[in-house]
Amino acid sequence: QQQVKQSPQSLIVQKGGISIINCAYENTAFDYFPWYQQFPGKGPALLIAIRPDVSEKKEGRFTISFNKSAKQFSLHIMDSQPGDSATYFCAASPLSWDSSYKLIFGSGTRLLVRP
Amino acid sequence: EAQVTQNPRYLITVTGKKLTVTCSQNMNHEYMSWYRQDPGLGLRQIYYSMNVEVTDKGDVPEGYKVSRKEKRNFPLILESPSPNQTSLYFCASSFYPPGQGNYGYTFGSGTRLTVV
Repeated sequence: QQQVKQSPQSLIVQKGGISIINCAYENTAFDYFPWYQQFPGKGPALLIAIRPDVSEKKEGRFTISFNKSAKQFSLHIMDSQPGDSATYFCAASPLSWDSSYKLIFGSGTRLLVRP
Repeated sequence: EAQVTQNPRYLITVTGKKLTVTCSQNMNHEYMSWYRQDPGLGLRQIYYSMNVEVTDKGDVPEGYKVSRKEKRNFPLILESPSPNQTSLYFCASSFYPPGQGNYGYTFGSGTRLTVV
């Protein structure tokens, strides 16, 4: 059972274009939604994260849009650069102090930005 | 340098031969976790640990064991590896639980395991 569904599986964008990756979740207990970026041969690294009390968070060229009622969130990469070529993972975690210290990942999107 | 160190980076083994993948962090993090990464499935949590001697199962714990005898180390043990455990494994650590704070998990560079 995949609790966080991510699309598309792969994405090709021209330099300067906008890359958009979408995720949907099922569990309404999720309260923290990070995005991770992974380069080949490396472990994932936290890119940007959002909590459901805001609808949008922007850090440089990276923006998360969050739609609580639709249980969807997306990553927008503005002015995409070849150096952004990587695999991107959305994730979700419940904000709780009980035993549920889980971070559940989507299936990943391989982004290629052409020069 | 603050980091999570996994060893080995690559490992080829035979079915049934016990192996251990080591993980060590130098950031005094309380929370540690093991994930496996498979194409089309993303990262799936195997086990996690909230502190020394406190561990719990993730989503895919079958065939794996862990221990947390010291805060810095969190080894992953495969008692009798099988080919379906061929995967890319990541160890991760964080100071806060995954949903707390703003720093998220710090991941190691991964261990690519092949079981033949």
